[in-house]
Amino acid sequence: DAGVIQSPRHEVTEMGQEVTLRCKPISGHNSLFWYRQTMMRGLELLIYFNNNVPIDDSGMPEDRFSAKMPNASFSTLKIQPSEPRDSAVYFCASRTDSQEHTEAFFGQGTRLTVV
Amino acid sequence: GNSVTQMEGPVTLSEEAFLTINCTYTATGYPSLFWYVQYPGEGLQLLLKATKADDKGSNKGFEATYRKETTSFHLEKGSVQVSDSAVYFCALPGSARQLTFGSGTQLTVLP
Repeated sequence: DAGVIQSPRHEVTEMGQEVTLRCKPISGHNSLFWYRQTMMRGLELLIYFNNNVPIDDSGMPEDRFSAKMPNASFSTLKIQPSEPRDSAVYFCASRTDSQEHTEAFFGQGTRLTVV
Repeated sequence: GNSVTQMEGPVTLSEEAFLTINCTYTATGYPSLFWYVQYPGEGLQLLLKATKADDKGSNKGFEATYRKETTSFHLEKGSVQVSDSAVYFCALPGSARQLTFGSGTQLTVLP
C-alpha cells in the first residue's frame, strides 16, 4: 500500500482565497483524522471521521474550516476564506479501529502558506 | 479525558550519549501507549508501542516500558546517533479512539 496520500504537498495562496486539501487514507482503514501542526500550538486534532461520519469536530477552529468524507477513500479539508494565521502543516492520518492498540498512519502533510 | 504530558524540549546531545524523554499519562483504564517520531519535512511515523502494563516496546535501539505504577512511558536510547535528530511525540487513544499527542520533544544530536 502506498500509505496515506495527501495533496498538494505545498500550497501558497493569497488571503481570502479558498483552499482545499485532499487526503486518500490507507485502504481498509475506517478512521481518518485531520491534524494541524504549528510551532506555537504543536499538533492539534481538527476533526475525526469514523466510517465516513464526522465524530468529533470540536478542534475545527472556525466556521471557515470544513471537512468532508464522501467515501471511504477520500477526504477534503477546506478553508474559506483563508487567512495568514491558517499557515501551518496539515496532516491527514488513518487507522483501523478494529482493535484499540492499532496505530495511526500519517501522510506527508500539506504545508500551507497564506500570504 | 485521556491525556499525556511530555518532557519539554529542546534536547541537545552529543553522539553516543544516553537519551531519556519523559512521558506521563492520565487515562481511564490501561490504554495502549505510543511513541511517534517526525523527521524534518516528514509526517509522523510510529516508533514503538506498548499495549498493556509492563510491556516494553522497542525499535531502532529505542525502548519504552509501560509503567502503570508511575503512569509513565519514558523513551530511552543507550547511544544516540546524528540520524536520530527529530521530534518525538508520546501518544495514547482519547475517549473517542482518536490519538491524543503530547507537545513533542525536539532532539538534536551533534556529531
